[in-house]
Amino acid sequence: DSGVTQTPKHLITATGQRVTLRCSPRSGDLSVYWYQQSLDQGLQFLIQYYNGEERAKGNILERFSAQQFPDLHSELNLSSLELGDSALYFCASSTRFESYEQYFGPGTRLTVT
Amino acid sequence: LAKTTQPISMDSYEGQEVNITCSHNNIATNDYITWYQQFPSQGPRFIIQGYKTKVTNEVASLFIPADRKSSTLSLPRVSLSDTAVYYCLVGSGNKLVFGAGTILRVKS
Repeated sequence: DSGVTQTPKHLITATGQRVTLRCSPRSGDLSVYWYQQSLDQGLQFLIQYYNGEERAKGNILERFSAQQFPDLHSELNLSSLELGDSALYFCASSTRFESYEQYFGPGTRLTVT
Repeated sequence: LAKTTQPISMDSYEGQEVNITCSHNNIATNDYITWYQQFPSQGPRFIIQGYKTKVTNEVASLFIPADRKSSTLSLPRVSLSDTAVYYCLVGSGNKLVFGAGTILRVKS
């Protein structure tokens, strides 16, 4: 158990819909990263927040957005969903601003039908 | 953006040492190299991280040559429970690139 929690575990929705994925980092970690894992694209970095502020943006689509709240939990919002957005979405947390020793949550499996 | 290349799969036997190499020819000066292990239906788990030369912890060693264009994860005396997918992650800041992963199968 990494100490990172993600909800929901599974999500099934239709094309065009909007969903919100939630992540709670390990106690004391200020940095949250979001990743997408799919069969065709592998693991891709989406976005990083540190202590409530966006710090780095990777391959995140404009239809996706994220935020980190004062209690340090984070949410990833996916809108106008397409079939190709079906994937596993992981969040990870770390202690420092730029640290690649990250602790991953169990993931949210999103299925868009 | 660093591009990473790893072998698709490797087979080994229990008790052997396993070395998995990741190529990253266009690694940038600020980039770090990190290795993760992933089991089915779980998130990746941190193994080891390095910048140059050799790093060792209780589970693995990481060898990085002087030109930093590749790195080798070394797992001593693997067991059946080490069967998993291993990923290298190269980058820094907003440029984080995972390799496609190496499936390691450990046989008895």
